[in-house]
Amino acid sequence: KQEVTQIPAALSVPEGENLVLNCSFTDSAIYNLQWFRQDPGKGLTSLLLIQSSQREQTSGRLNASLDKSSGRSTLYIAASQPGDSATYLCAVATGNQFYFGTGTSLTVIP
Amino acid sequence: DTAVSQTPKYLVTQMGNDKSIKCEQNLGHDTMYWYKQDSKKFLKIMFSYNNKELIINETVPNRFSPKSPDKAHLNLHINSLELGDSAVYFCASRRRQAPFTEAFFGQGTRLTVV
Repeated sequence: KQEVTQIPAALSVPEGENLVLNCSFTDSAIYNLQWFRQDPGKGLTSLLLIQSSQREQTSGRLNASLDKSSGRSTLYIAASQPGDSATYLCAVATGNQFYFGTGTSLTVIP
Repeated sequence: DTAVSQTPKYLVTQMGNDKSIKCEQNLGHDTMYWYKQDSKKFLKIMFSYNNKELIINETVPNRFSPKSPDKAHLNLHINSLELGDSAVYFCASRRRQAPFTEAFFGQGTRLTVV
């Protein structure tokens, strides 16, 4: 069964700093990996989707990479802003469902 | 236009009651899901439907019964609600056929059983 782990569980950084969130998964037979953002009391907002054949995807200040063979993905956030404060979740998709990581709670201090 | 919409957003009810949560997607996706987010914020799948057919039914009490009247709708009915059912329930959809699309989630339904 697929297990997804995210490290660190919580992260606090000063505004302007670049940061990396990590996601690891145990079964490399995935179709894609998706990064989400969840604000307190809100739903999930899709940030980036990486298909299994891709190595990385970029959207604005966000860059996600995927190394399927080693079961790892990273989300790089450049020049962090207080508005980036949220919980970040990665989800690994198999044929029938997707498995979520435990999330990283990010706080960007002004 | 909301891609995946759930109603209600909040639901407070007493133990023993029966309640339903509705979900609709306007993306033309063929697969819909119900996920439960517990107090520790971990998301776990409950059910998955593909073209109105149940394809995943995780270990969920049979008090929970999903119903998919058509590809665009997946409702969740819960009988005899218990305190432990309190959680946030998320509906999601995606296209299951390759190339697999990103998944879209509803805003969640916060269920509180008192």
